[in-house]
Amino acid sequence: NAGVTQTPKFRVLKTGQSMTLLCAQDMNHEYMYWYRQDPGMGLRLIHYSVGEGTTAKGEVPDGYNVSRLKKQNFLLGLESAAPSQTSVYFCASSYGTAKETQYFGPGTRLLVL
Amino acid sequence: KNQVEQSPQSLIILEGKNCTLQCNYTVSPFSNLRWYKQDTGRGPVSLTIMTFSENTKSNGRYTATLDADTKQSSLHITASQLSDSASYICVVFSGGYNKLIFGAGTRLAVHP
Repeated sequence: NAGVTQTPKFRVLKTGQSMTLLCAQDMNHEYMYWYRQDPGMGLRLIHYSVGEGTTAKGEVPDGYNVSRLKKQNFLLGLESAAPSQTSVYFCASSYGTAKETQYFGPGTRLLVL
Repeated sequence: KNQVEQSPQSLIILEGKNCTLQCNYTVSPFSNLRWYKQDTGRGPVSLTIMTFSENTKSNGRYTATLDADTKQSSLHITASQLSDSASYICVVFSGGYNKLIFGAGTRLAVHP
């Protein structure tokens, strides 16, 4: 039981490049989330999904897209990376709504030059 | 405005000592409050989750308290260990907005 895994662990991009972050969970959770964590700030919700085939915008969705084609996977895409997207990205999942405990992945550190 | 504020921002203590971290929130309506521990380079891990009716909850050497009237919570760590060095994040869930509001965290360093 690996819990929540994220790939890659670290990535460097040039401005304008695109990339996809992959999140996978093996706990059969319905809800999945993408957050970003910046120094001195709390985690901020980018997008979330309440089930396979559904996605919704969070607090800071601009510049990101997501897809949930399979229940266990939640992908976060950056179409044209900007330096402001330099951050640590965390994926999380929960069995039910955000009212319940969320389980976080180890994070992906992204540097956009 | 829904906010969660934590204090202090950072704290250094000696191994074996106790410490208390504070969390004040202005979130309304309130559903529950949770404390997470985040080791450097890792994702947050849940320590406790408390609802409106719970005043105290323990998880080993970690004890969280909640005063829903004053909108304050604290996390008390007893007999600290080097492995307690981490960031501790307070998070409030607002059922009305179906939203989690995260504090910026307190960075704790336990020195030998």
